[in-house]
Amino acid sequence: KAGVTQTPRYLIKTRGQQVTLSCSPISGHRSVSWYQQTPGQGLQFLFEYFSETQRNKGNFPGRFSGRQFSNSRSEMNVSTLELGDSALYLCASSQGADTQYFGPGTRLTVL
Amino acid sequence: KNEVEQSPQNLTAQEGEFITINCSYSVGISALHWLQQHPGGGIVSLFMLSSGKKKHGRLIATINIQEKHSSLHITASHPRDSAVYICAVGRNTDKLIFGTGTRLQVFP
Repeated sequence: KAGVTQTPRYLIKTRGQQVTLSCSPISGHRSVSWYQQTPGQGLQFLFEYFSETQRNKGNFPGRFSGRQFSNSRSEMNVSTLELGDSALYLCASSQGADTQYFGPGTRLTVL
Repeated sequence: KNEVEQSPQNLTAQEGEFITINCSYSVGISALHWLQQHPGGGIVSLFMLSSGKKKHGRLIATINIQEKHSSLHITASHPRDSAVYICAVGRNTDKLIFGTGTRLQVFP
């Protein structure tokens, strides 16, 4: 089976812009979780989707949003980008409450 | 105080040494995960465990639910084991809470 894929792998944006990141889970996996990793805060949970429904949300402002499609692919969107949003964004898929398989991440730089 | 604490933060070892990384947590959990992250960012899930002990090759993970403590052991360490090892706990859903990681460097 193909692993979790994320696109794009690298992205440079300027403050105030918005960005959309994409995650394709392993075939058959219905749960997709998103995480942000920064040098200062480490890894932090953003949100989790299961069967197109947001099942859990971390402590991030409303500028961070996501969705999941019927084929389990997921997108996350960050509006009005701030310098502090520069981070590695990781998604992970699982079949449920099971081992999570991580994608390679999207490295976002906000200038 | 962080809900998940790891020690040590940094660890250096000579090839062949036995390595232990510790993780303590303060919340009720359904499972504990050990993750490995190499330079460049890719994360690999090493273990998910809710009780007892698991072994995969030279890696062994143990958990003591009563003491809220887990250890990751690497036997016969090798330079390719150099990475950041991250402990994460899950509470009934897929929302993981992460430790700050242990940076391991193994020298030949």
